[in-house]
Amino acid sequence: AQRVTQPEKLLSVFKGAPVELKCNYSYSGSPELFWYVQYSRQRLQLLLRHISRESIKGFTADLNKGETSFHLKKPFAQEEDSAMYYCALSGSPMEYGNKLVFGAGTILRVKS
Amino acid sequence: KAGVTQTPRYLIKTRGQQVTLSCSPISGHRSVSWYQQTPGQGLQFLFEYFSETQRNKGNFPGRFSGRQFSNSRSEMNVSTLELGDSALYLCASSFRQGEDGYTFGSGTRLTVV
Repeated sequence: AQRVTQPEKLLSVFKGAPVELKCNYSYSGSPELFWYVQYSRQRLQLLLRHISRESIKGFTADLNKGETSFHLKKPFAQEEDSAMYYCALSGSPMEYGNKLVFGAGTILRVKS
Repeated sequence: KAGVTQTPRYLIKTRGQQVTLSCSPISGHRSVSWYQQTPGQGLQFLFEYFSETQRNKGNFPGRFSGRQFSNSRSEMNVSTLELGDSALYLCASSFRQGEDGYTFGSGTRLTVV
């Protein structure tokens, strides 16, 4: 079965502080992992995908297969980072079809 | 290029009625997926279509159905609406298998009264 766990419903940090949004997954094969962000009153947007290993808006995420984690990190939080963040997993299309399994989401609040 | 377009943005329906939601994917995208978003259950996969064929279906009752047209536009239908169907319904499109990520629409907010 595919499962994504985001243990924190809310993460509150001060501007300039480091941020780590946790994501753990359960999947027996090699997953595709994504982080999506939803700013207030905006649509869900793709932030990162593990396969591209990019850094977007200062955020990075490393896939740790041993710990089955894909935590999202940023060294210095900015107020405009305040949003809902979703971790999502896509398994083998042949086995699970073309779908995303989402975590429950973490609200990030950056205080000034 | 134009993003994923969902219509209508808002709907209010009565229990027992049926509803049809529409999604136009990004030009060139052939895969369209539907998700239900609620405060209690979060984002849940409904179904996915590729080249007019349903490739995958989530764990929803048969009242939820969909289809895809030859131009990749998709519709989903919910019959015999229940109060619990009130949700934000999101459509996402991708080019092939989603390895390049999925682009989401703004959603249709359905309220069942």
